[in-house]
Amino acid sequence: AQSVSQHNHHVILSEAASLELGCNYSYGGTVNLFWYVQYPGQHLQLLLKYFSGDPLVKGIKGFEAEFIKSKFSFNLRKPSVQWSDTAEYFCAVKGAGSYQLTFGKGTKLSVIP
Amino acid sequence: DGGITQSPKYLFRKEGQNVTLSCEQNLNHDAMYWYRQDPGQGLRLIYYSQIVNDFQKGDIAEGYSVSREKKESFPLTVTSAQKNPTAFYLCASSLPNLSGQPQHFGDGTRLSIL
Repeated sequence: AQSVSQHNHHVILSEAASLELGCNYSYGGTVNLFWYVQYPGQHLQLLLKYFSGDPLVKGIKGFEAEFIKSKFSFNLRKPSVQWSDTAEYFCAVKGAGSYQLTFGKGTKLSVIP
Repeated sequence: DGGITQSPKYLFRKEGQNVTLSCEQNLNHDAMYWYRQDPGQGLRLIYYSQIVNDFQKGDIAEGYSVSREKKESFPLTVTSAQKNPTAFYLCASSLPNLSGQPQHFGDGTRLSIL
């Protein structure tokens, strides 16, 4: 069975600070990895995804994530956060051959102006 | 614009009552999903369907039922057997999922018990 662990429940940063949100997954084979974001009052939307190839993936709004296979990790990063990045962020994993997408419990990010 | 429409936005259920949440998509996606979102729990998969007239249980299917009679529609019924139905319900769709296509989400339905 696949599972996802997000290390931080709530992260509070000042504007311009750097961001790194941790995500570790458990699955024995090839995986597809995703980060989704849920802005206040809006629907869940895709930030970025990893299927194969370059382990450093760039997404929308300046976000990027690095897939480290040996550590079963897919951490999300942004060099300089803005107040508009305040949202809840979800990491998700899909094992090859599985139809199911498994989500982590989410990390709330609050950015203080 | 293509997208996923969930209705109603808010729904109230009396004890012992079944309620049905609507999900319609015009993205021409084959696969559709229902998730339940509780605070601090993330999203948990209730049911999913990869093709019309076929669906499978997810991780927390007990107390729920679905149908997939049309490609565009995937309604979820919360039955009286679901003892803790108060939650935020999200519907999603995607292209054929085995290749890892990302899912697109609706705005959700918030269900509360009276």
